[in-house]
Parts: sequence; structure tokens; C-alpha cells
Amino acid sequence: GAVVSQHPSWVICKSGTSVKIECRSLDFQATTMFWYRQFPKQSLMLMATSNEGSKATYEQGVEKDKFLINHASLTLSTLTVTSAHPEDSSFYICSARLPGLANEQYFGPGTRLTVT
Amino acid sequence: AQKVTQAQTEISVVEKEDVTLDCVYETRDTTYYLFWYKQPPSGELVFLIRRNSFDEQNEISGRYSWNFQKSTSSFNFTITASQVVDSAVYFCALSDNIGNEKLTFGTGTRLTIIP
Repeated sequence: GAVVSQHPSWVICKSGTSVKIECRSLDFQATTMFWYRQFPKQSLMLMATSNEGSKATYEQGVEKDKFLINHASLTLSTLTVTSAHPEDSSFYICSARLPGLANEQYFGPGTRLTVT
Repeated sequence: AQKVTQAQTEISVVEKEDVTLDCVYETRDTTYYLFWYKQPPSGELVFLIRRNSFDEQNEISGRYSWNFQKSTSSFNFTITASQVVDSAVYFCALSDNIGNEKLTFGTGTRLTIIP
């Protein structure tokens, strides 16, 4: 099956610093990737849709200047949390859509961010 | 707007019992897709099934089965002869068939199988 990786799997950073999370589709090309965040014992909330070669589309209420998304190639999208604060601590999950198949998304293993 | 409701927050059953996880959805689209994902304690979402709105046939895959009822906007998931490894959070999700096909997730059902 399709494999999506994320790096790092967990990260601890100090308040005010920036953190970059990578999402890679390992065995397929993904023109569209999605970024979600999940608070403990809650559902996944879509943050943004990342399209290769164009600007990301952010969901309502998500600060685009705080959560920078770059989809520079067909296999890599990055999410940078800028000037992180403790309330940004969460589980961030990416998914990549298989081309040609109606919305068949495969998810990465997630990145647990803790801001101290 | 699309909405997915999983009314069961947590369910516990004894191993080998059957269990059904409910999912009710709302959408104005005539073409849409429904999904079930499993999230074990490791956190990684595992794809279980995708069903399009034109295919109301029930599906069985091993111990898993799905019942899609358009008339009641439900897409329920049954695990037969449950096992401890089935313990996880299960999410039902809905997407449209246009644009970027974003997924709308339900709030999830935490299933615990008691040995």
C-alpha cells in the first residue's frame, strides 16, 4: 500500500522557536497533501490543503502566518510552526492523496509537538 | 456543510463479542465518499474502507463488515468476534467529490476489548 512518512515523530521545543515538520509520500507522487491537528482524545481537524507548486488553502480560523506550509515537490510537504507557544502543543498528522483514485488518502504516522 | 456524528464516545466489550460502531452523516452533495479509519495507540491512522454514495452494497472483509444505509444516512461498522488487537479509536469520515475532496471526521469511538 501507499506509504507516507513524517519527520520528526516527536519534538520538544521552547516557546518562541519555530519547528518544521516534513511529510513525504514514499512510493507515489502526491499533488495534494493535507495537514491535520489532533488534540488529546479529540478528532482530527483539517488545518490546510497543500497543493504542489501553489499556495496552501487554509481552513477558517487557522493562521497562515503561524502555520507555514510549503509543497515544493510531488513527494514533500512541510509545515512550519512559527513562534511556537504551549497552546500549539498537539499531534500533527499529514495525509497524501493518491492520484487518480477518488480521495483515497493515506496518513503519516503523526508528529507530536510539545512546546515548553 | 458536512457533518459526521459518532454518538458512541467509548465502548467496551469482552473479547469474542461482536460490536457495532455507529456513524451518521449529513451532506447536501449527491456524490460523496464515506470512510472508516482505525487509530491504534501508536497514533497512525489506518485506512479501513472507502464507499461511494452510489454503492449501497454491504461489504465484508474478514471479521469487519460495513452497513451503508442511504435512507438513514448511516454507515455503521461491525467487528465480529472481537480481539484485543481491535482496541483503538475508530473514526468515520466523509468527503465530497469536488475540489480537493477534504475529509470531515467524526469525533471517534474509543473501542476497548477486554480480554
